[in-house]
Amino acid sequence: DQQVKQNSPSLSVQEGRISILNCDYTNSMFDYFLWYKKYPAEGPTFLISISSIKDKNEDGRFTVFLNKSAKHLSLHIVPSQPGDSAVYFCAAKVRFPGRRALTFGSGTRLQVQP
Amino acid sequence: GAGVSQSPSNKVTEKGKDVELRCDPISGHTALYWYRQSLGQGLEFLIYFQGNSAPDKSGLPSDRFSAERTGGSVSTLTIQRTQQEDSAVYLCASSPGTSSEAFFGQGTRLTVV
Repeated sequence: DQQVKQNSPSLSVQEGRISILNCDYTNSMFDYFLWYKKYPAEGPTFLISISSIKDKNEDGRFTVFLNKSAKHLSLHIVPSQPGDSAVYFCAAKVRFPGRRALTFGSGTRLQVQP
Repeated sequence: GAGVSQSPSNKVTEKGKDVELRCDPISGHTALYWYRQSLGQGLEFLIYFQGNSAPDKSGLPSDRFSAERTGGSVSTLTIQRTQQEDSAVYLCASSPGTSSEAFFGQGTRLTVV
């Protein structure tokens, strides 16, 4: 049972345009959501997170939107740059009660064309 | 070191042999996770340690897999009688607590031949 789903395995956008990566989840207990970026031969690196009490969190070119009623979150990258080309993983966890691990989606490979 | 360190970075082993993978978390981090990523797949949860509490082993795929964390710091993931389907990148991560993001190591690429 995949609790976190990223239905698009890949996405290609032009440099300077917006990249939108989507993620759906099924577990209504999830209360904290994260996006990670992964380059080949490296471990995933944390990008941005959002608590379930918010619907938007922005950090520079990266914005995460959370729609709890739809159990959907998205990552917007504006403007996209060639260095953003990587695999992006959505993750979720139940923070309270504690002692829960992160559950990851299968990832979306983003290619930003110069 | 400043980040999560995993060793070895690459391991090739023969089917049926045992392997040990090591993870040195960030100093002071109380939570430690093991995940694996098979070719073309997402990150699969294996095991989670939080402080002195009993670990969450719910992700271990079989009893050939085990992990321990000594002194609340270094962790070792052991795979006994390795099979070809165990080939994957094994990733370790640590975090300061239950409500924080996890920081990953570079992974150990395990190849079972």
